[in-house]
Amino acid sequence: AQSVTQLDSHVSVSEGTPVLLRCNYSSSYSPSLFWYVQHPNKGLQLLLKYTSAATLVKGINGFEAEFKKSETSFHLTKPSAHMSDAAEYFCVVSDLRENAGNMLTFGGGTRLMVKP
Amino acid sequence: DTGVSQNPRHKITKRGQNVTFRCDPISEHNRLYWYRQTLGQGPEFLTYFQNEAQLEKSRLLSDRFSAERPKGSFSTLEIQRTEQGDSAMYLCASSIELAGRSYNEQFFGPGTRLTVL
Repeated sequence: AQSVTQLDSHVSVSEGTPVLLRCNYSSSYSPSLFWYVQHPNKGLQLLLKYTSAATLVKGINGFEAEFKKSETSFHLTKPSAHMSDAAEYFCVVSDLRENAGNMLTFGGGTRLMVKP
Repeated sequence: DTGVSQNPRHKITKRGQNVTFRCDPISEHNRLYWYRQTLGQGPEFLTYFQNEAQLEKSRLLSDRFSAERPKGSFSTLEIQRTEQGDSAMYLCASSIELAGRSYNEQFFGPGTRLTVL
């Protein structure tokens, strides 16, 4: 079984300040982890992915995340927020076992608001 | 546009009616997934296909829900006898499954928003 907990349903930051979106996961297997972003009226877009290579993963638009197995965490960060970063962010775990079909399990989402 | 497309984008129906949604995946993708997203929640997995074979359907929410992918290209999701609780965004995603890959990114469509009155 696998699950994802996003610790904050809403995060508000000022433009130009750092962003931290927190995620903890639970998985019976070595997980693959992802962050997706969802802008209003647009499809989910992959920001970055972890697949057991480097623990610090760099994604698009300046985002990065660090996989910490001891803490079962995969927090998303960005050094400086931009107004265009305002969106809903989802932490996702994937079951890569052959019979699981790469089914994605999503967290509840964190809405990021960026103040001018 | 070569992304995943879904039609219609919005559907309003009355309780008890049947509805069908269509998903066209990225053309070379052999896997197709359906998810449901209710307001304020993350998407939840419903079912998936590899080519025309439906390999997992135990997560479909009830026997009123069914999905097909008859020729291994587009897929349809049907909900029979709709209920107000079926109101949600229905998302489709596709990916390409290659032997030896450790993961395969899923590309999502814009979704079909269903409102049941």
